[in-house]
This record gives sequence, C-alpha cells and structure tokens, in this order.
Amino acid sequence: AQSVTQLDSHVSVSEGTPVLLRCNYSSSYSPSLFWYVQHPNKGLQLLLKYTSAATLVKGINGFEAEFKKSETSFHLTKPSAHMSDAAEYFCVVMSGSARQLTFGSGTQLTVLP
Amino acid sequence: GAGVSQSPSNKVTEKGKDVELRCDPISGHTALYWYRQSLGQGLEFLIYFQGNSAPDKSGLPSDRFSAERTGGSVSTLTIQRTQQEDSAVYLCASSLAQGRTGELFFGEGSRLTVL
Repeated sequence: AQSVTQLDSHVSVSEGTPVLLRCNYSSSYSPSLFWYVQHPNKGLQLLLKYTSAATLVKGINGFEAEFKKSETSFHLTKPSAHMSDAAEYFCVVMSGSARQLTFGSGTQLTVLP
Repeated sequence: GAGVSQSPSNKVTEKGKDVELRCDPISGHTALYWYRQSLGQGLEFLIYFQGNSAPDKSGLPSDRFSAERTGGSVSTLTIQRTQQEDSAVYLCASSLAQGRTGELFFGEGSRLTVL
C-alpha cells in the first residue's frame, strides 16, 4: 500500500521569496516520487522525479526536491518565486509499475507581487 | 499532434444522459490512463490501458463508467446515465511504457458538468 500527503492545501509567498511545498509519503517498497504542476485550465506537467539515484533532484523552472528516507519526505523548493509559478502542485508516489501512481490532493501556490 | 489531445474540452449535459469523452494519446505511447479530478480533490485513478493487455479497470466508480481503446491508440471514456456527482474534469494521460519511468503526459482535460 502507498499513500501521499501534501501538508498544505494553499501556500502564499511574495515574488522573489523562497517556496516550500511539503510532501510526505508512505510506501511498502522503495518508491519513485514525482512533482507535477498544473496551471489553470491546463494538463499536468512533470516538474521533476526521484528514481533512487541522487537524493537531491533538480527539475524545470528552478525547482528542486530532496528525498529524505528517514523522514519519508519529498519537499519541493525554489529559492525565488516568480509570478509564473502560481499554479497547483501535485506530489506523486509510485511503487512498482506505473499503474500504481498515487497523487496527493494538491497544493495551490499563490505568488503575490 | 505533439501532445495528448482530449475532446470535448467542455461538456454540459443533463442528468440521465450518456456522454463520451475522447483521448488521442501521443503517437507511440503504449500506456494510456484516465483520471478524474473533482473540485479541491487530487486525481482519482479510473482506468489504465497497456498495449494489448486487459485494461486495469479497478478505479472505475460504478458500472455506468466504461472505456475502450481502439487499435492501441485513441480511447473513449463513456459515462451512462450521468449523475450530478459525475461533474468533474476528466484527464487522460499517456506514457511510453509500463515500468518505473512514471512520467505521464497529460491532456488538458474534458470538463463535464451534469445539470
């Protein structure tokens, strides 16, 4: 069994300040973990993925995530928020085959000018 | 096209009517998924197709929901006798193959409103 919890349904930051979107997971197996972003009225787009290589993963648009097995966390960060980062972000865990993807409930990121 | 294409983008229907939602995956992608996204909710898995294998229908919420994939390409999700709780965005995704890649390419969704 696997699950994923996104700890904040909404996060609001000022432009130019750091972003932290939190994600905790549980998995019976060594998981693969992903962050997807969804802009309004758009499909989801892959930001980054962890698949048991380096624990610090770099993605598109300056986002990073660190896999911490001891904390069962995979938090998404960005040093400096941009207005275009405003979107909904989904943390996803996969154990075994790709059919077993489990999506978190999403975090809505608002970036204030 | 270059991406996953879904149609219609918006559908308004009356309770009790049947609807069909179409997904055209990226050419060459053997895996195809349908998800449902309700307001304020995460993505709910509905059904998964992989090549010529029997589909994984474990996420379909009731027997009013069905899906098929013809020729290993285009898929149609059918909802019979729609109910108001069926109102949601239905997302289709495709990927190259089953396995540990996990990278799905999503369409922009079909927004269904049942009055």
